Amino acid sequence: NAGVTQTPKFQVLKTGQSMTLQCAQDMNHEYMSWYRQDPGMGLRLIHYSVGAGITDQGEVPNGYNVSRSTTEDFPLRLLSAAPSQTSVYFCASSYSMQETQYFGPGTRLLVL
Amino acid sequence: GENVEQHPSTLSVQEGDSAVIKCTYSDSASNYFPWYKQELGKRPQLIIDIRSNVGEKKDQRIAVTLNKTAKHFSLHITETQPEDSAVYFCAASIRGNTPLVFGKGTRLSVIA
Repeated sequence: NAGVTQTPKFQVLKTGQSMTLQCAQDMNHEYMSWYRQDPGMGLRLIHYSVGAGITDQGEVPNGYNVSRSTTEDFPLRLLSAAPSQTSVYFCASSYSMQETQYFGPGTRLLVL
Repeated sequence: GENVEQHPSTLSVQEGDSAVIKCTYSDSASNYFPWYKQELGKRPQLIIDIRSNVGEKKDQRIAVTLNKTAKHFSLHITETQPEDSAVYFCAASIRGNTPLVFGKGTRLSVIA
């Protein structure tokens, strides 16, 4: 099993550009989530999904969109990148919200 | 919603000593409390978790205690080793379909 994979590993964007961060898992997990990690701020939840076709907002959803068309994939879209979105982004998956979350390797995003 | 406070933000211990990290939560309905370890440049990984029907759980040198009355839980690492150096995150989840809320993390340094 590959576990949770994320692409790209690193990305530089200019303010106003859009992009999609990819996340995929091969463990047949129903629950998937996106976090951003900033120094001193811990892991903050952006969006999450409890199954295909179902998504919901987390703590910091503004500026991001998600969709869940399949159990395996959960892409995160930045609509119009801003310097405040410079961060490390982690995708995670688990059988349920109260089971072990498996994190992807992360995407480091720099917005200039 | 749930709020999780974590202390201290940084902790330095001598190799072989014990380390204790404490977290408090706000919602008495929370019933799942995991701890994640994140080594430098790596993804977070679950090291231990506890549910509200248990007061203490141990796994080799790691233990977690839960005090539901005071709404706090703690991570105890005994006989610390250099490889224990990492950032540790506590989290809490409210009974039902609510996502994990993470603390801001504790950077543990084990000095050889």
